[in-house]
Amino acid sequence: AQSVTQPDIHITVSEGASLELRCNYSYGATPYLFWYVQSPGQGLQLLLKYFSGDTLVQGIKGFEAEFKRSQSSFNLRKPSVHWSDAAEYFCAVGALNNNDMRFGAGTRLTVKP
Amino acid sequence: DTAVSQTPKYLVTQMGNDKSIKCEQNLGHDTMYWYKQDSKKFLKIMFSYNNKELIINETVPNRFSPKSPDKAHLNLHINSLELGDSAVYFCASSPRVGAGGELFFGEGSRLTVL
Repeated sequence: AQSVTQPDIHITVSEGASLELRCNYSYGATPYLFWYVQSPGQGLQLLLKYFSGDTLVQGIKGFEAEFKRSQSSFNLRKPSVHWSDAAEYFCAVGALNNNDMRFGAGTRLTVKP
Repeated sequence: DTAVSQTPKYLVTQMGNDKSIKCEQNLGHDTMYWYKQDSKKFLKIMFSYNNKELIINETVPNRFSPKSPDKAHLNLHINSLELGDSAVYFCASSPRVGAGGELFFGEGSRLTVL
């Protein structure tokens, strides 16, 4: 089965600074990759997804992510972080032949004024 | 017009009780899920249904029993509640089976077992 690792439990950045959240996956075939965001007390919202094609994908709220097959990574980036971006971020991997969506442990983002 | 709705949003109950959480989606999706999120925010899949048929049943105690009366509903019943069942339970739906389709989540049901 597929699996996901998010190496950073907690990241703090200053407002206006750039952001990169790391995600590594394990899966034998072409993965379907996702980033979700969870604000406090809320459900998860999809930021962006990669299925195939261009390895740099754009999402909502100014986020982008790059799929690198050679590194088994799908890192999330944003050039300039806003205070409202403070939340928990989850990377997830799905597969072609099953319903199984696996999530990483999440990275909590704190934004300093 | 909520896409995936769960009720109740909060549940506080005593050990040994039985409780249910209901989930409904109005997106026309075929696939529905239950996930458990623990206090460390870790999300673990519990069950997945496709068109009322159980597809995924992770290693979950048999005190947990999902029921899907139709493809728009997936309920979760928990018998003999234990302290370790305290968590946030998320329902989700997906438009595609077998294609890693994105999930649409409800807002969660926070269960506290005293």
